[in-house]
Amino acid sequence: DAGITQSPRHKVTETGTPVTLRCHQTENHRYMYWYRQDPGHGLRLIHYSYGVKDTDKGEVSDGYSVSRSKTEDFLLTLESATSSQTSVYFCAISEGRGRTDTQYFGPGTRLTVL
Amino acid sequence: SQQGEEDPQALSIQEGENATMNCSYKTSINNLQWYRQNSGRGLVHLILIRSNEREKHSGRLRVTLDTSKKSSSLLITASRAADTASYFCATVDVQGAQKLVFGQGTRLTINP
Repeated sequence: DAGITQSPRHKVTETGTPVTLRCHQTENHRYMYWYRQDPGHGLRLIHYSYGVKDTDKGEVSDGYSVSRSKTEDFLLTLESATSSQTSVYFCAISEGRGRTDTQYFGPGTRLTVL
Repeated sequence: SQQGEEDPQALSIQEGENATMNCSYKTSINNLQWYRQNSGRGLVHLILIRSNEREKHSGRLRVTLDTSKKSSSLLITASRAADTASYFCATVDVQGAQKLVFGQGTRLTINP
């Protein structure tokens, strides 16, 4: 999975609790992304980062925040988890040299909010 | 909103046959990419085709792009059981630098 790790890989939590997912890369790529994957929706972009402390919203950013204090780490936080945030979350990276760059994906985190 | 609409949603064929998946999109694009996802795994990039290209090959993969129809197809020739996976198209919009918009995917099953 191209030098990308996600932690935890599985998590079960209760509604209203905060949750933080971590993505770590060893490729020194500039861009990092968080997606969620749900049946019938494919992958949808939550937030992305184009450098340390530089982030922007994606298509489904409500209820999520992100932080990137180091090139290699991109954190996704659910401030108060809801059942609608039960999903599989994928981190991805890209080099960012141009608009043709492909993305490399982590193994995913399965989150269940009860 | 999803950019791509993939067709069919599911496809089941016999090993050795060719598999064709189609993707339609809505906006003007810089490039279109195809990814594969094995069950329980992350996505893996297969091939990229730029907006000024019409056809591209990589091994047993052939991708076509018709920008006038805003559509692309992925052909896998001589399919193998290991090709069983979900396949997604993803587009890079001319306005949306460095962001991919994914279709909902085609679930391909190769029967031995």
